[in-house]
Amino acid sequence: EVQLVQSGAEVKNPGESLKISCKASGYSFTNYWIGWVRQMPGKGLEWMGVIYPDVSDTRYSPSFQGQVTISADKSISTAYLQWSSLKASDTAMYYCGRQGLLNEVDYWGQGSLVTVSS
Amino acid sequence: QTVVTQEPSFSVSPGGTVTLTCGLSSGSVSTSYYPSWYQQTPGQAPRTLIYSTNSRSSGVPDRFSGSILGNKAALTITGAQADDESDYFCVLYMGSGISVFGGGTRLTVL
Repeated sequence: EVQLVQSGAEVKNPGESLKISCKASGYSFTNYWIGWVRQMPGKGLEWMGVIYPDVSDTRYSPSFQGQVTISADKSISTAYLQWSSLKASDTAMYYCGRQGLLNEVDYWGQGSLVTVSS
Repeated sequence: QTVVTQEPSFSVSPGGTVTLTCGLSSGSVSTSYYPSWYQQTPGQAPRTLIYSTNSRSSGVPDRFSGSILGNKAALTITGAQADDESDYFCVLYMGSGISVFGGGTRLTVL
C-alpha cells in the first residue's frame, strides 16, 4: 500500500528556518516524481514543485523558485520542503503528493500545517 | 504566467448533472495538458478523481467523468449527491515537469 506520511504541525517565528518531511512507503521511491502543494488559509491549492529522487532533478513553479528548497533522501525514502527564512505569508497547509505516470497526483500525504507568527 | 481558470462557484440540485470546466487564460486545453481533477472537503487532503483527461482513479464512482469540451477540460458529475458538495480543482501539466492548479470551484448541492 502506497503511503505518504508527513511531519507534524510547526509553529515558527518570522525569520526562522524550517524543514518539513514526507516519508514514502509501499513503492519504489526513486521511480516517481514527488512534489509539494501549498494551501493558504481559506484559499485554493498551489503547485510548488517536484523532485525525482533518483537523481534529485528538481522543478519549481516560477512563483516558488528561490522561495523554498525541495530535496529528497532516497536512502530513507523521504522528501523535504524547506525555508531558510520564514515569513508570515508562509502560513499554510502543505501537502506532499506522488506524481503518477500521467502527471497526476495519485497519492497524497495528510498535510503539514505551518504557522509563522511572532 | 499561465493562468488556469475555473468557475468560482456552481450549484446543482440533488440528482442533477453539473459540468465544471478548466480553461487557460490564453489558448485551448487539449489532452496534451493531461488534465486532472481533485475533490477537497474542508479539513481534508485532496482526493484524486480524474487523470489524463478522462481516466477515473481507483474507487471513484462512475458518475464522475472527465472530457474535453470545446477548448476546456471538463468534469461532469451525473446524479449529484449531497456528499459531492466540495471544492473541485483541476490541474494542467505545462511540460518540463511543471503543473498549474486552477483556482477551484466550490460546488453546492441544494
